[in-house]
Amino acid sequence: NAGVMQNPRHLVRRRGQEARLRCSPMKGHSHVYWYRQLPEEGLKFMVYLQKENIIDESGMPKERFSAEFPKEGPSILRIQQVVRGDSAAYFCASSRADLSGNTIYFGEGSWLTVV
Amino acid sequence: GESVGLHLPTLSVQEGDNSIINCAYSNSASDYFIWYKQESGKGPQFIIDIRSNMDKRQGQRVTVLLNKTVKHLSLQIAATQPGDSAVYFCAESGGGTSYGKLTFGQGTILTVHP
Repeated sequence: NAGVMQNPRHLVRRRGQEARLRCSPMKGHSHVYWYRQLPEEGLKFMVYLQKENIIDESGMPKERFSAEFPKEGPSILRIQQVVRGDSAAYFCASSRADLSGNTIYFGEGSWLTVV
Repeated sequence: GESVGLHLPTLSVQEGDNSIINCAYSNSASDYFIWYKQESGKGPQFIIDIRSNMDKRQGQRVTVLLNKTVKHLSLQIAATQPGDSAVYFCAESGGGTSYGKLTFGQGTILTVHP
């Protein structure tokens, strides 16, 4: 009974490179959410996706960040031209439905370090 | 207790004591609330949730209380164990936005001494 799977767990990128973070939701879950946890801050919502659709991206920075959840395969959070301020833990969560009472489970996170 | 590291509120208890962690939320329209536990280097782990049509819900060793009048949520942990040491976050959702769009509280560091 696999939970939300994220990879890589740790990623080091030089400034200007691209980071790609992957998330496979729990079995039976079709709703995926990405959160970011900056050092010394709580988790902040970034984006909500269903298969092939971005439902709510109100928490995504306007530039350099994008997310997708294709028909086949994991959801991808992509950060282009990374800067030191992008260093953070990125968490993916999934749920069976976007309804009150549907438990939202988190993955173990991807820790991005920009050097 | 002294706030260090993340400058979060801290709670220190002795093993076997009961712990109460408090949370104030901001959106009076939120109708779904969750408590998560986060250990160092790991993701948030679901503990217990409650919907706004309830004021109390019990799980194994944990109880969540919801006071909508003052927008306050609390998590009670009975017979606290060293393995309960972690950062605890409350989260709220609903109120016109998607339920997975959680707004997290600042977190409380719980330290359990053997």
